[in-house]
Amino acid sequence: AQSVSQHNHHVILSEAASLELGCNYSYGGTVNLFWYVQYPGQHLQLLLKYFSGDPLVKGIKGFEAEFIKSKFSFNLRKPSVQWSDTAEYFCAVNTGGYQKVTFGTGTKLQVIP
Amino acid sequence: GAVVSQHPSRVICKSGTSVKIECRSLDFQATTMFWYRQFPKQSLMLMATSNEGSKATYEQGVEKDKFLINHASLTLSTLTVTSAHPEDSSFYICSAAPGGGNQPQHFGDGTRLSIL
Repeated sequence: AQSVSQHNHHVILSEAASLELGCNYSYGGTVNLFWYVQYPGQHLQLLLKYFSGDPLVKGIKGFEAEFIKSKFSFNLRKPSVQWSDTAEYFCAVNTGGYQKVTFGTGTKLQVIP
Repeated sequence: GAVVSQHPSRVICKSGTSVKIECRSLDFQATTMFWYRQFPKQSLMLMATSNEGSKATYEQGVEKDKFLINHASLTLSTLTVTSAHPEDSSFYICSAAPGGGNQPQHFGDGTRLSIL
């Protein structure tokens, strides 16, 4: 069965700082990878996804993620964070042909103005 | 975009009560929906896969008699927490994907269940 690890549980950054959130998964086969965001009081929203092709994926709000197959990683990045990026970020994976998604434990990002 | 609606958003009830939570796909049909549970400071844990017209598939450790799932139509799945107890207090979230396959899930707003 697949599993997802997010190593940073709580990250605090100042506005304009660069962000990188780690995500590693364990599964030897074909995977689809996702980053979801949950803003305070709101539902989960998709930030970006990787199915195939260019391993550098660009999502909404200036976020991007890079799939490195050899490292089983899908780290989320943003060059310059804003206060409005304060939220909880979840990495998720599903494996080919199945909708069932496994989530990481989430990373709470707090951006200080 | 695809919208998933979940109702109610918050329930507070006495121990022993059964609680029904609805999950609707508003602008697409979903043969499969998913029910998750989220404990404080933890990730979403998949409870079960709801299949339209057939029995739900439960994850290991989830009591099927405790968490009844009915997926009677292509736009509605319900989760009933039977004889709820304080330890069932949690945040329950449903999701569905238009078109099935590997498409990203769209999530409802969640239901905060508090059992007194």
